[in-house]
Amino acid sequence: AQKITQTQPGMFVQEKEAVTLDCTYDTSDPSYGLFWYKQPSSGEMIFLIYQGSYDQQNATEGRYSLNFQKARKSANLVISASQLGDSAMYFCAMRLIQGAQKLVFGQGTRLTINP
Amino acid sequence: DTEVTQTPKHLVMGMTNKKSLKCEQHMGHRAMYWYKQKAKKPPELMFVYSYEKLSINESVPSRFSPECPNSSLLNLHLHALQPEDSALYLCASSQRLAVSTDTQYFGPGTRLTVL
Repeated sequence: AQKITQTQPGMFVQEKEAVTLDCTYDTSDPSYGLFWYKQPSSGEMIFLIYQGSYDQQNATEGRYSLNFQKARKSANLVISASQLGDSAMYFCAMRLIQGAQKLVFGQGTRLTINP
Repeated sequence: DTEVTQTPKHLVMGMTNKKSLKCEQHMGHRAMYWYKQKAKKPPELMFVYSYEKLSINESVPSRFSPECPNSSLLNLHLHALQPEDSALYLCASSQRLAVSTDTQYFGPGTRLTVL
């Protein structure tokens, strides 16, 4: 069965520093997609970045990049030059091509950016 | 435009009330989803619609009744709810269903309180 693990319940970072949020996954399916979402206290789940299992390069979207290490089954989110507005809950999620209806989420990491 | 709208933002209802949550998207997406999220937990999938047909029901109690009147609209009808049903209800949509690369876009959610 597919599983996503986020081992950091909470992280505290100084503004302007880079931050890495960890995500490991477990699946035997060779085809899958990995997603990161941000959820501010307002509740909306905001899509940040996507990485496909066959993608050769790490995904990047502005200040967000994904450190994809397929052999280690990890997909860490890197936020460069953190801002106060980055304070939120961050969820890593996976979708398989088999049973792709389901988006399986990790437990989330609460990121707090300090001024 | 990746906007999914949900109404109402907040809803308080008694256990004998009947109410409905509404979700709308105009991105031409053919898959729509309902999730339930309790505090400090990841979202849990409730229902999936594909091309206006119910594709997945994650063993949700019958007091929750989904409806997809057309490709842009998704409703969740609520009846005889329990206090433990109080949660954030998130709607999402994606282009297609059985594709692992397909990104789900979420609405802002409805915060439901059952008294």
